[in-house]
Formats: sequence, structure tokens, C-alpha cells
Amino acid sequence: QQQVKQSPQSLIVQKGGISIINCAYENTAFDYFPWYQQFPGKGPALLIAIRPDVSEKKEGRFTISFNKSAKQFSLHIMDSQPGDSATYFCAASRESSNTGKLIFGQGTTLQVKP
Amino acid sequence: EAGVAQSPRYKIIEKRQSVAFWCNPISGHATLYWYQQILGQGPKLLIQFQNNGVVDDSQLPKDRFSAERLKGVDSTLKIQPAKLEDSAVYLCASSLVWDTGELFFGEGSRLTVL
Repeated sequence: QQQVKQSPQSLIVQKGGISIINCAYENTAFDYFPWYQQFPGKGPALLIAIRPDVSEKKEGRFTISFNKSAKQFSLHIMDSQPGDSATYFCAASRESSNTGKLIFGQGTTLQVKP
Repeated sequence: EAGVAQSPRYKIIEKRQSVAFWCNPISGHATLYWYQQILGQGPKLLIQFQNNGVVDDSQLPKDRFSAERLKGVDSTLKIQPAKLEDSAVYLCASSLVWDTGELFFGEGSRLTVL
């Protein structure tokens, strides 16, 4: 019940295209869903996050869509650029618990071709 | 603002040897985390500190791993004796408070056990 399942494992998109990464969770107590971006040799960095009280959040070219009933959420990268090439991790946590423990998905390696 | 500092960046040891990793979180961040990231997987929480107290160490292999956070600031993660399966990147992260999912990660310490 603590798992977060992410797909696809890898993704190749042409410059200017839309990149879509999906995640599914089981624990309905999760109430915070961030996406982290990781470049080679670097630590993950927070990209965008959503809470279950909204179904969509947009920041620039990045959008999270959240479907509470299906227990799924996805990251959409519009107008994908070569600089977006990185590994993306979805995650989930229970902010209402006594720990901020983030459970990460397996990661998606995105390659944006020029 | 300085980020999370970790050292060493790389370490190669033989199995059954010991190793220690050091982390200095962002100034003022009360919560510190150690994550293990095996190649091709998402980060997995090993231990979480709130100031200098342990909040969650449920996934820490306590027979070989130990961690401490002296004076609620710097932290050290030790592995003794190391096994081949401990080869991974050890990520330190910090957050201002425990109940936010926004973690700030260091660049990690890559451990290779031969």
C-alpha cells in the first residue's frame, strides 16, 4: 500500500512535443504529490507539486493532472525542450502524519531530441 | 543560500569494509533525511531526523547501518560492514519543517562496493 508506480520507464520525445508521465498510488491517506527532476550527478529537485483538493496545477510548461477517484496523477511537459532531458520521479506522502516521508516512484528517463 | 553539502562525492571500498558519509543541511532546516538510491530506482528513505531526534528509521538496516545527527545540524551515515548490495548513491536532504514534502537534496555520495 506504500508503493507509487510510475510509467513509462523511459520516454523519447521530439523537441516541441508533449511529454506525459503517469503515476498511480494505493494509499488513500496520501495527501501530497510532488514531482522531482534529477539531472545526472545531481540530487533530485522539486519541480511541481499538487494536493488532492485540486485536479490540476500548472506552472509554466509543466502541468500536474490529478484524478483522486482513480488514484492516479500525471506530469505533462508542454513544448518539451532538450534541456528537459532528465529523470523524473513522482512521489507521495502523508503530510498529516508525524513524518514527511516521501515515497518515490521508480523514475522515468526523458530524452528530448533536438 | 547554500544548498545541502555532502561528502565524499565518490567512494570505492571492498565488501566488509566500513564507510562514512557526511551531510550538512541548509541552515535552519530542522528535518534531515538520508535516502538510498540504487541505480535505476527511486530514492528510498533510510532515516529521518527532526532536530537531533530520530523520527523514522524503519527501513534502515540496523545491523550494518547507523546514523547520527549531532547538535541537530550535521549528520553522519555509517555502513559497517558493507555488502555488495549497498552500492548506491546516498542522498541527504533537508526541509524546513517535517510536514512539507519539499525536500532539498544534496548531490549525493556514490558508493561502490567491490
